[in-house]
Order: sequence, then structure tokens, then C-alpha cells
Amino acid sequence: QSALTQPRSVSGSPGQSVTISCTGTSSDVGGYIYVSWYQQHPGKAPKLMIYDVSKRPSGVPDRFSGSKSGNTASLTISGLQAEDEADYYCCSYTGYSTLVFGGGTKLTVL
Amino acid sequence: EVQLVESGGGLVQPGGSLRLSCAASGFTFSSNWMDWVRQAPGKGLVWVGRINGDGSSTSYADSVKGRFTISRDNPRNTVYLQMNSLRAEDTAVYYCARDYDGLSYWGQGTLVTVSS
Repeated sequence: QSALTQPRSVSGSPGQSVTISCTGTSSDVGGYIYVSWYQQHPGKAPKLMIYDVSKRPSGVPDRFSGSKSGNTASLTISGLQAEDEADYYCCSYTGYSTLVFGGGTKLTVL
Repeated sequence: EVQLVESGGGLVQPGGSLRLSCAASGFTFSSNWMDWVRQAPGKGLVWVGRINGDGSSTSYADSVKGRFTISRDNPRNTVYLQMNSLRAEDTAVYYCARDYDGLSYWGQGTLVTVSS
């Protein structure tokens, strides 16, 4: 159950797009469609942004999109806004009914 | 409206035990898997374990297996995390989450501090 690999930080200016990667193995990210992404602002509970690789829950702006290629999943945020500044975590099903998170990525909006 | 409210956190000595509760409302509780996730101070999210809708199946992270037990009381719409043999590295905010189409709803968390 090794954590998925995410960049520690990414940044972008308002209006730009940023992509956060999440690298695992064929036993987790590469083996299942059950990859999800969470946004967490300081002192707050995490919020689901993407599930099943690319599906958006109701209420999440379509500026947020997800994809997967091989063992790497990605979260893309287009049209960056100041309120997008937060920590982002990926999560994958790993088989045997277990989950694993990535280490988290701090997004800074310049 | 879906609500999850954790309780039971606090200060406990190393080797001690604590039971967390998570009261759910606003959805059909017995039909949903429920998960526990923790976050040490200043660190990332770590999955702890999960339980299926009728409580017949559980799974755990290796770091807590054999020490933590997840259970549920469906008539009370409550899921529990029994934590035994606590260690300093178990210090964290513990969140419960509804496991349906991702971890779709989260509680506000309850802080557990393991220290002498």
C-alpha cells in the first residue's frame, strides 16, 4: 500500500490551466477506473472533485477534469481562479477492497 | 442534506484505546460503504479502512491492521472506529466518509492525540 506519487506543488496564474499528475502502478491506478480527486482548503474537510477517473459530482465546475493514461491519472484545472488555491489529493482503489491516496499537491494561484 | 458528524476524539496515552463515532443522516445509510481517513498534523490524507453496508465486510490499511476495528450500527446510522494499542504516529484528525461514487461526503473530522 505505497502512496501514489504526486508533485509536491504546482502553480499557475489566474485564467491559466494547470495539470496535477498522480502516478501509481498496474495494481492501483493502472488497473481500475476507480480514481478520484479531492480538494482540501486549510482547516477544512476534503471535497470530492472527480470520481471514476473523469466524472464530476454535481456542483463541481466543469473547469475541473480528470483523465488517465496507463498508470498515471491527471487532474486538469482550466481557467484558474483564486479560490482554486488548495491542496489536491488523488485516490485509487487497489484491489482487495482497499484504497490508497497520493501524497498531495499544493496548488498556488499566482 | 447529507451530514456526517464525527465524535470521540481526544488525548490518549500510548498503548491506550479510543472509539470514534460517525453519525450519518440524509441518505440511506445501510446501503453505503463507509470509510475512515486520517490526516496527521501538516501531512496528507491516509486511508484507514472501510466497511460495507451490512457490516459483513471490512478492510484496513496495513498500518492499522490488527489494532483498529470498524463496525456499524445501521439502526442508529452510525459507524465506529475502535482504536487499540495506540501509538504516537496515530495522532491525526480522523474523518469518516460516505463511499459512493468516490468518497462523496466527509465529516468535519475529530482530532486524536496520542501522547503521554
